[in-house]
Amino acid sequence: DSGVTQTPKHLITATGQRVTLRCSPRSGDLSVYWYQQSLDQGLQFLIQYYNGEERAKGNILERFSAQQFPDLHSELNLSSLELGDSALYFCASNVAGEGADTQYFGPGTRLTVL
Amino acid sequence: DQQVKQNSPSLSVQEGRISILNCDYTNSMFDYFLWYKKYPAEGPTFLISISSIKDKNEDGRFTVFLNKSAKHLSLHIVPSQPGDSAVYFCAAVNRDSNYQLIWGAGTKLIIKP
Repeated sequence: DSGVTQTPKHLITATGQRVTLRCSPRSGDLSVYWYQQSLDQGLQFLIQYYNGEERAKGNILERFSAQQFPDLHSELNLSSLELGDSALYFCASNVAGEGADTQYFGPGTRLTVL
Repeated sequence: DQQVKQNSPSLSVQEGRISILNCDYTNSMFDYFLWYKKYPAEGPTFLISISSIKDKNEDGRFTVFLNKSAKHLSLHIVPSQPGDSAVYFCAAVNRDSNYQLIWGAGTKLIIKP
């Protein structure tokens, strides 16, 4: 158990819909990362927050947005969903927000868009 | 443009033998490399890392070798155990992109009894 929790575990929805994925980082970790893993692909970095502020952005679509709240949990919002958005979405956290530091991953949310 | 490549989607190794997982990269600005391991239905977990100023780092049964001139790194697992069956991801830190991780596609390691 990494200490990072993600909800829900599975999500099935239709094209055009909007969903929210939630992540609670490990106790004491200030930074949260969001990744997308499509079938047989590596992890694609989406976005990083550090202590409530956006720190870095990767290949995140404009239809996607995220935020980190004062209690440090984070939400990833995906809107106008398309079939290609079906993927595993991982959240990770670490203390200082440096990529070279170990990131602790949650179990992921599997999103299926029908 | 895949900056980190793991060209073997899968690898099968006999229990007790050596497993060698390979990773190639294209960006000479990468200065830190990490290996993560992933079991089904779980998130990746950190395994071992290496700085670009070193050519080898060892942790128990796991050793990572870095060949900067060839832009190649490898993970050696000796001896391989059934619990090592997992997907292994190579990742590189890009100091030009806010030190974010660039990930390979992963190699599925299967340890045969």
